[in-house]
Amino acid sequence: AQSVAQPEDQVNVAEGNPLTVKCTYSVSGNPYLFWYVQYPNRGLQFLLKYITGDNLVKGSYGFEAEFNKSQTSFHLKKPSALVSDSALYFCAVRDGGNTPLVFGKGTRLSVIA
Amino acid sequence: EPEVTQTPSHQVTQMGQEVILRCVPISNHLYFYWYRQILGQKVEFLVSFYNNEISEKSEIFDDQFSVERPDGSNFTLKIRSTKLEDSAMYFCASSLGTGPYEQYFGPGTRLTVT
Repeated sequence: AQSVAQPEDQVNVAEGNPLTVKCTYSVSGNPYLFWYVQYPNRGLQFLLKYITGDNLVKGSYGFEAEFNKSQTSFHLKKPSALVSDSALYFCAVRDGGNTPLVFGKGTRLSVIA
Repeated sequence: EPEVTQTPSHQVTQMGQEVILRCVPISNHLYFYWYRQILGQKVEFLVSFYNNEISEKSEIFDDQFSVERPDGSNFTLKIRSTKLEDSAMYFCASSLGTGPYEQYFGPGTRLTVT
């Protein structure tokens, strides 16, 4: 069965500093990996995904994520954090085909001015 | 930019009552989903729907739940007899395809069962 772990409930970072939100996954086949962001009282917004190919994928709002097959990780990164990046971030995986999307428990990012 | 919409934004109902949550997926999308998020917990898959039938469902999606696409635009989730533990945020999502295709989520309906 597929699963996702986000080991940090909360990440605090100063504005302008780089940020990393961690995600590890477990699937039996080749993974499709996704990052979503949730702002207060809003639905989940798609940020980026990894399907195949280049391990570094770029997404919306300057975010990027690095796929590491040996470490089964897909950490979300941004070179310079903004206060407006403060939100709840979810990593998700699906094990190919039409299997359900499985979410991690989420990491709350707080960017301090 | 097209988006998934959901109504109502908040629904309060008494235990044992039926509720219908409504969604309008993005118009050219073919796959439709319902998820729920109990306060403070992770987003959980309920059901996926394609070609007018359920393609996958989770253990949560028991006989109390049903989904329907009554016309070419709406996608509904019905809970026949609500329980206190059904209180959650319910998200509808849609996608062009399955596998690597990203899903687009609506803003959610907060269901409160009293």
